Amino acid sequence: EAGVVQSPRYKIIEKKQPVAFWCNPISGHNTLYWYRQNLGQGPELLIRYENEEAVDDSQLPKDRFSAERLKGVDSTLKIQPAELGDSAVYLCASSDPGGGRAKNIQYFGAGTRLSVL
Amino acid sequence: GDSVTQMEGPVTLSEEAFLTINCTYTATGYPSLFWYVQYPGEGLQLLLKATKADDKGSNKGFEATYRKETTSFHLEKGSVQVSDSAVYFCALSELDFGNEKLTFGTGTRLTIIP
Repeated sequence: EAGVVQSPRYKIIEKKQPVAFWCNPISGHNTLYWYRQNLGQGPELLIRYENEEAVDDSQLPKDRFSAERLKGVDSTLKIQPAELGDSAVYLCASSDPGGGRAKNIQYFGAGTRLSVL
Repeated sequence: GDSVTQMEGPVTLSEEAFLTINCTYTATGYPSLFWYVQYPGEGLQLLLKATKADDKGSNKGFEATYRKETTSFHLEKGSVQVSDSAVYFCALSELDFGNEKLTFGTGTRLTIIP
């Protein structure tokens, strides 16, 4: 079974430029998460989707960040314009809440490492 | 709010040494506890989990016991290998208005020397 796929793996841009990240979750997983992982830190949730609905976007900086999950499968995360402080690894994860809480495990992609110059 | 505090790294051990990475948590309810591992260039992988007090999670020779009285979930392995070199994250998951929410520690980088 294929895991969570993210692209690109690396992205280098200049500040004020736009950037987008793409995520394809595990087939059948209705829940999708975007996290940001700063250097030397643990991941922090940006947004969570249940199918195509964003159910928790309280930590998403909405002035410059946006996300979408059309058709409830793939998702994109966009930053416009990027700032120096946005340099981080952006992780996507998916989970299948079916089967009870004990089986609600999040599976992570390899991430996109963003460098803003 | 919920938080996870884990042993700061980096940790360097010789092969076959005993490993302990400490993790303590603060939560208002009854969280599930996890250890995730991140190998170089890869995403986070679930290593083990425990969903209630006194549960022991185990995988690949690693173990951790959910201790409610000390709010801890320390990771242990009796004999580490070079292939265990990675960053280890302790995390908790608690229902937040019906939604599972993962809170991670800052990670501990482990390096095993042959």
